[in-house]
Amino acid sequence: SQTIHQWPATLVQPVGSPLSLECTVEGTSNPNLYWYRQAAGRGLQLLFYSVGIGQISSEVPQNLSASRPQDRQFILSSKKLLLSDSGFYLCATLKGSGANVLTFGAGSRLTVL
Amino acid sequence: AQRVTQPEKLLSVFKGAPVELKCNYSYSGSPELFWYVQYSRQRLQLLLRHISRESIKGFTADLNKGETSFHLKKPFAQEEDSAMYYCALRLTGGGNKLTFGTGTQLKVEL
Repeated sequence: SQTIHQWPATLVQPVGSPLSLECTVEGTSNPNLYWYRQAAGRGLQLLFYSVGIGQISSEVPQNLSASRPQDRQFILSSKKLLLSDSGFYLCATLKGSGANVLTFGAGSRLTVL
Repeated sequence: AQRVTQPEKLLSVFKGAPVELKCNYSYSGSPELFWYVQYSRQRLQLLLRHISRESIKGFTADLNKGETSFHLKKPFAQEEDSAMYYCALRLTGGGNKLTFGTGTQLKVEL
């Protein structure tokens, strides 16, 4: 079965500092990968998705970027954080082949001060 | 626009009372809908999906295309049902993307 690892679990960063959140997946190959942000009162917002190495699709304009340097690695980055980047970031992958069910990681909580 | 609306941020019910978490969607075509749940200190996980027509933990959800709704129901709430519930819609286009509602926090009181 698939396992998703996310780190760091918690991060407090000053405005203007860089960001790197990492997600790795085990137990599958060539997975679809997703970054969601969970913000209070706004539900889950899809930020990026990737269907393969080096292939990134952005869903909303923002201060963040994503990269997929390896098949099972998905990274969320920023060069300069904004206060509005605070939130809970979830990495997800599709569960099994041919299914539309998402499996989520434990998440990374980012606080920008 | 493809969208999911959950009108209630918080729903509080007593143990043993019926529960209905509302979800409405906007979609042209045949929608594929899901309910996800996040219990305290646990990961977000699938509860059920409409194509399976199943009952999970006593919960059911029926797709009503006329009313564009996919409400989640349980006849008798249990304390362990307290959690955050998200309704989700699969989007058209590539990537198997899901769009989520803003979520409803269910609190079951004794």
